[in-house]
Amino acid sequence: QQPVQSPQAVILREGEDAVINCSSSKALYSVHWYRQKHGEAPIFLMILLKGGEQKGHDKISASFNEKKQQSSLYLTASQLSYSGTYFCGTEIYRGGKLIFGQGTELSVKP
Amino acid sequence: DTAVSQTPKYLVTQMGNDKSIKCEQNLGHDTMYWYKQDSKKFLKIMFSYNNKELIINETVPNRFSPKSPDKAHLNLHINSLELGDSAVYFCASSHGPGQGVVGYTFGSGTRLTVV
Repeated sequence: QQPVQSPQAVILREGEDAVINCSSSKALYSVHWYRQKHGEAPIFLMILLKGGEQKGHDKISASFNEKKQQSSLYLTASQLSYSGTYFCGTEIYRGGKLIFGQGTELSVKP
Repeated sequence: DTAVSQTPKYLVTQMGNDKSIKCEQNLGHDTMYWYKQDSKKFLKIMFSYNNKELIINETVPNRFSPKSPDKAHLNLHINSLELGDSAVYFCASSHGPGQGVVGYTFGSGTRLTVV
């Protein structure tokens, strides 16, 4: 079952913060986050395993709430280079299908 | 050094033709995938191979046939192409269940246009 992302789109000014959410109706083993720029391949950002750990990657971090089967991606002090479509992908067991959400389009303006 | 390489990058062909897309990875991963991305950017898994063995086969028309000659290569052959097959096809690789947990590395994609 496809995870649901929100919001569908967000527009930011440089330096602003954003949060992208990903919800699943199934118990998850892992949540992946990817960013895809127009005409390019999705690029892996980070993976979170069940256990509720939070990860960070420069000014981009994420959390995973195992009880709610929700993950959030936090982008702080956004830069122009953050623009793109963000996808979460979920696995219900190790080595299972990675099913992607519908994507969140993020635009960062100067 | 390209980690996951796909060829061709663009493919324009007529309905009814047969075409192939090739994928190779040099990351030492043992699992490879084919994903289809439609015009609404929805990324849908099609197939997955682990050490040359098919482990995921989604509800895909049997006109699509993957083949993995070794764990570094995964090809996709499509018979009798239809207009609805037009999309971007991405190859990806990662470690399988027996190895460390890593994200997927995607190839640059093949934009298939059926006319």
